[in-house]
Amino acid sequence: GAGVSQSPSNKVTEKGKDVELRCDPISGHTALYWYRQSLGQGLEFLIYFQGNSAPDKSGLPSDRFSAERTGGSVSTLTIQRTQQEDSAVYLCASSLASLDGQPQHFGDGTRLSIL
Amino acid sequence: GDSVTQMEGPVTLSEEAFLTINCTYTATGYPSLFWYVQYPGEGLQLLLKATKADDKGSNKGFEATYRKETTSFHLEKGSVQVSDSAVYFCALSSNTGKLIFGQGTTLQVKP
Repeated sequence: GAGVSQSPSNKVTEKGKDVELRCDPISGHTALYWYRQSLGQGLEFLIYFQGNSAPDKSGLPSDRFSAERTGGSVSTLTIQRTQQEDSAVYLCASSLASLDGQPQHFGDGTRLSIL
Repeated sequence: GDSVTQMEGPVTLSEEAFLTINCTYTATGYPSLFWYVQYPGEGLQLLLKATKADDKGSNKGFEATYRKETTSFHLEKGSVQVSDSAVYFCALSSNTGKLIFGQGTTLQVKP
C-alpha cells in the first residue's frame, strides 16, 4: 500500500506570503503528526491529531502556524506571513494510534524556502 | 521536559568496523525508545524500537538495548557497510506518541 504522501515536495516563496502544505496519511492510520527539520533546531514536533479529539498544538512556534485535518484523513499545515526562519523541511507522519510504542511512518517532506 | 542527547558526529568509519552511537534520554515515566535512519535523499525510516526496560531492538544487523538504570539506548552494529552511511536519530515517545528526537548523528562509511 501507499506510504505517507506529502505535497509539494519543494516550495519556494517570498517572505510575507502564506503557504499550505499537504499530507495524505497511510489509510487506516488514526494519528497524524507534523514535525519540522531545520539546521539549527533539528527535528521538532509541531502538532498532532488523533481521531476526533482536539489536536495537540503545543509545538507550534507561533500563531502564524495552523493545521487542520479534514474527515480524519488529509491534513493541511498553513503558515501565514512567512518569515525566513520558517525555511525548513516539514515532515508528516502517521501511525495506527497515538500510543506510546506505535511506530510512526514518515513522508518524504516538503522543503520550504523563504526568500 | 523530556529530552534526548546523542553523540555528536560526523562519525567516519572504514567498512567492516564496529559502530556505536551513544544515546541517552531524560524522561518522566518509561517511554518507548526508537532509532530512525535517514539515508541520503530519502525520508525518515524506523530502524528499530524497544518499549520497555531490558528490551533489545534489532534490525539489519543493528541493535540497541533499553537500559533504564543508565537511561541509555546506544546503537551498535558489528560490521558496517558503505550502504549504512546515513543520519541516525534516537527518539523517545511520550504517552501521546509524539516523538522527541536527538540532534542526529551522521555516519560515513568508507570502503
